[in-house]
Amino acid sequence: GDSVTQMEGPVTLSEEAFLTINCTYTATGYPSLFWYVQYPGEGLQLLLKATKADDKGSNKGFEATYRKETTSFHLEKGSVQVSDSAVYFCALGDSGGGADGLTFGKGTHLIIQP
Amino acid sequence: EPEVTQTPSHQVTQMGQEVILRCVPISNHLYFYWYRQILGQKVEFLVSFYNNEISEKSEIFDDQFSVERPDGSNFTLKIRSTKLEDSAMYFCASSTNSYEQYFGPGTRLTVT
Repeated sequence: GDSVTQMEGPVTLSEEAFLTINCTYTATGYPSLFWYVQYPGEGLQLLLKATKADDKGSNKGFEATYRKETTSFHLEKGSVQVSDSAVYFCALGDSGGGADGLTFGKGTHLIIQP
Repeated sequence: EPEVTQTPSHQVTQMGQEVILRCVPISNHLYFYWYRQILGQKVEFLVSFYNNEISEKSEIFDDQFSVERPDGSNFTLKIRSTKLEDSAMYFCASSTNSYEQYFGPGTRLTVT
């Protein structure tokens, strides 16, 4: 079945550092890919998405590129802030969209120190 | 901005009791979902619902679980006889016929 693998956390960085959180996936067909963020005590918020190969999703300075050849969707940000501290989840959905449930990775806890 | 809401935010129940978790999806959305997240683990899909019936369900969604859309706004998850291992955060989500699912803040269920 479908699966998502993320780098284990926690990841601790200093403010203004460059961030990469690795995500690879296994799926049949051509899934859509997502990054969700969960701030302490809150629910999941969609951060960005990509629906086909070579698409780049971007939002709030974060970006990720759908790489079909390496089955990856790594999250990057050029300069992190303390407010980016959260848990980040990579997820995939069936290319059909609609009623299909998302498959999530285990999440990566990001800690940004001032 | 429209959002998914869930009630209660925290539910404590005794093992063997029935619980109903409630969600109000975004009003023009057509697809509804329940997920759970056991503490420290990943978010797991339970069930999706469309056109007043279950569209897809995972292995977790056994006969102890049921979902219902009793009126035009609410979407509920019922657990008939709770077990200790049902303790988790339960998230409701909704979407249009697109690839974006919008999640509610979750209900923390504690089974004692």
